[in-house]
Amino acid sequence: QVQLVESGGDVVQPGRSLRLSCTGSGFTFRAHAMHWVRQAPGKGLEWVAILSYDAMNQYYADSVKGRFTISRDNSKNTLYLQMNSLRAEDTAVYYCARDLYCGGDCYSLDHWGQGTLVTVSS
Amino acid sequence: EIVLTQSPGTLSLSPGERATLSCRASQSVSSSSLAWFQQRPGQAPRLLIYGVSSRATDIPDRFSGSGSGTDFTLTISRLEPEDFAVYYCQQYVKSPVMYTFGQGTQLEIK
Repeated sequence: QVQLVESGGDVVQPGRSLRLSCTGSGFTFRAHAMHWVRQAPGKGLEWVAILSYDAMNQYYADSVKGRFTISRDNSKNTLYLQMNSLRAEDTAVYYCARDLYCGGDCYSLDHWGQGTLVTVSS
Repeated sequence: EIVLTQSPGTLSLSPGERATLSCRASQSVSSSSLAWFQQRPGQAPRLLIYGVSSRATDIPDRFSGSGSGTDFTLTISRLEPEDFAVYYCQQYVKSPVMYTFGQGTQLEIK
C-alpha cells in the first residue's frame, strides 16, 4: 500500500533553517508529482509547494516563495523541503502528499503522510 | 487568487441524518479541479471526492459531490459515527499554479 513518511521536524529559532524529508513506498515514486501542505496548530490546511515527477517544475505558495525550496531524489524515493529564514508563522505540521493521477484532467492530492511538526520559536 | 468559503462553520447532526456542506468560490472554478477532504482528529486529511463528483478509492457511496461554477456541495447521505470530522474543499488554478483550501466545516455529533 502507498505509504509516505515525513521526518525532520524540530524546534528552531526564527531566522534559522530546517530540512524536511518524506520517503515514499508502495508506489512508483518517480512517476508522481509531490506536494507539501502545512497545518498550523488548530488551523486549516495551507498548500505549500508542488514538484513535478521529474523535478523540472516547481511552484510555491506566496507565503513561502523565496524562502522554501522543494526537491526530490527519485533514486531514494524521497521528497525534501528546505526551509530557510523561518518565521513564527511557519509553525505547523508539515504533510507530504502524492499528486492525484486519474488518467485525465484532475488536480488533487490522493495520499498523505502523517506529518512532522515544525515549531519556530525563540 | 480564488478564495474558497465553506459553510456552515459547524454543523451539528445525529447519526443517520443527511449532511450537506457548501463550498463557494470567489471566481468560477474548473470542474476538474474541485475536491473534498475529510480530516479526523489527529489524522492526516483523506481525499474523498475529486473532479467535483468522482469518489476516491475506497470511499463509501454515501459520500457524493456536486456543483459547478462557484457553488459546490458535499453530501453525506446517512451519517455514520466515523463521519464526524472536519471537511475541507480544495481547488486548483493553472496560472500561476496554486492549490487552495477552504477554511473547513466541522461536522459534530448533536
